[in-house]
Amino acid sequence: SALTQPPSASGSPGQSVTISCTGTSSDVGGYNYVSWYQQHPGKAPKLMIYEVIKRPSGVPDRFSGSKSGNTASLTVSGLQAEDEADYYCSSYAGSNNFVFGTGTKVTVL
Amino acid sequence: QVQLVESGGGVVQPGRSLRLSCAASGFSFSSYGMHWVRQAPGKGLEWVAVIYYDGSNKYYAESVKGRFTISRDNSKNTLYLQMNSLRAEDTAVYYCARDVLFAYDYWGQGTLVTVSS
Repeated sequence: SALTQPPSASGSPGQSVTISCTGTSSDVGGYNYVSWYQQHPGKAPKLMIYEVIKRPSGVPDRFSGSKSGNTASLTVSGLQAEDEADYYCSSYAGSNNFVFGTGTKVTVL
Repeated sequence: QVQLVESGGGVVQPGRSLRLSCAASGFSFSSYGMHWVRQAPGKGLEWVAVIYYDGSNKYYAESVKGRFTISRDNSKNTLYLQMNSLRAEDTAVYYCARDVLFAYDYWGQGTLVTVSS
């Protein structure tokens, strides 16, 4: 079933916000294949983090990922107006299955 | 540059079929696994299916297993999703996405499928 994320998170410009993504030992906890996606309204998702901590070329280093046990996290430091979006985590779940998180709406106050 | 362009969406009655296509360019299509991911209106992302780079293996979400078939034609750089026995709950924007280390690094713009009588 879907990974659990908080429905919303917010912060003022320049502040940091951290989003959690909780799964089980069969997905998040079992593999270092957690990724994070940013989606603006009406747009396709964009890869922000892969393999828990790696950033694709072009993604600002304000975005960072981590994992502890069955919970992964995405931290956005130095919040900017353009960071306001929906964020989804995803994990490999074994046996060629994949699962997304429930999604978190980030608001920049 | 990498481009993925979906097509084939539209309005279809429950129980009918539809085939989606995803035309790839700007990379060596035959070297990558490919996924279909969908998003119901106002809802989150849902993984649908994956196909290996050479088409040798295909896997599906439980919600579509037995009804949907993923395939690819590497000579045409095109990914497909054959959707049969469509249900109202299949209504969604369908995205194709390239696989890299079990992440989706490039996405198409999506094509909307509406299942309604």
